Amino acid sequence: GAGVSQSPRYKVAKRGQDVALRCDPISGHVSLFWYQQALGQGPEFLTYFQNEAQLDKSGLPSDRFFAERPEGSVSTLKIQRTQQEDSAVYLCASSFIRANTEAFFGQGTRLTVV
Amino acid sequence: DQQVKQNSPSLSVQEGRISILNCDYTNSMFDYFLWYKKYPAEGPTFLISISSIKDKNEDGRFTVFLNKSAKHLSLHIVPSQPGDSAVYFCAASGGTSGSRLTFGEGTQLTVNP
Repeated sequence: GAGVSQSPRYKVAKRGQDVALRCDPISGHVSLFWYQQALGQGPEFLTYFQNEAQLDKSGLPSDRFFAERPEGSVSTLKIQRTQQEDSAVYLCASSFIRANTEAFFGQGTRLTVV
Repeated sequence: DQQVKQNSPSLSVQEGRISILNCDYTNSMFDYFLWYKKYPAEGPTFLISISSIKDKNEDGRFTVFLNKSAKHLSLHIVPSQPGDSAVYFCAASGGTSGSRLTFGEGTQLTVNP
């Protein structure tokens, strides 16, 4: 497809379970971002890749969160030992260069931890 | 601290009238501002942007105004259409925040036929 694709769209995890969320950015886009959006809030930055290099991970809330983009294309956000406060929509965005050009967002993965 | 704030959680206007959505920011290092529109169960969609070297940018029915001294920007939609009903997010980037976008909380716009 032409847009940013995220999978799964919905994920229900039991507390303590590990989850992996996938993002397929637009082909050729150098920059890739992960955001977390809690209910009724705006998206909050988690981490940023330029090609395969993770240039900023200052938004990751704890060491249970880990992201990778090994070949500079597909990215995976992994959350270990999920907790209820991890319940949110996780959004992936990509852009050709930097976010100062428009970033294109995927539909998001809604994670519910029960 | 909330560096980008949208103080109106919701706005309701009549079809054909002007919609004005407001956004305030505190970080004077921000140099690029964007508006995104979001429909339920979809990701945010880019709408319009403005660089800090400008004070106005227009694209069809959408105009964004930037007042740097007041650290305030607004999005004007005229004429408003029912299909414009969505959540609108203001976002900013630049300075020490680098490439990341800092979003406001969003404003739910409802355009009534």
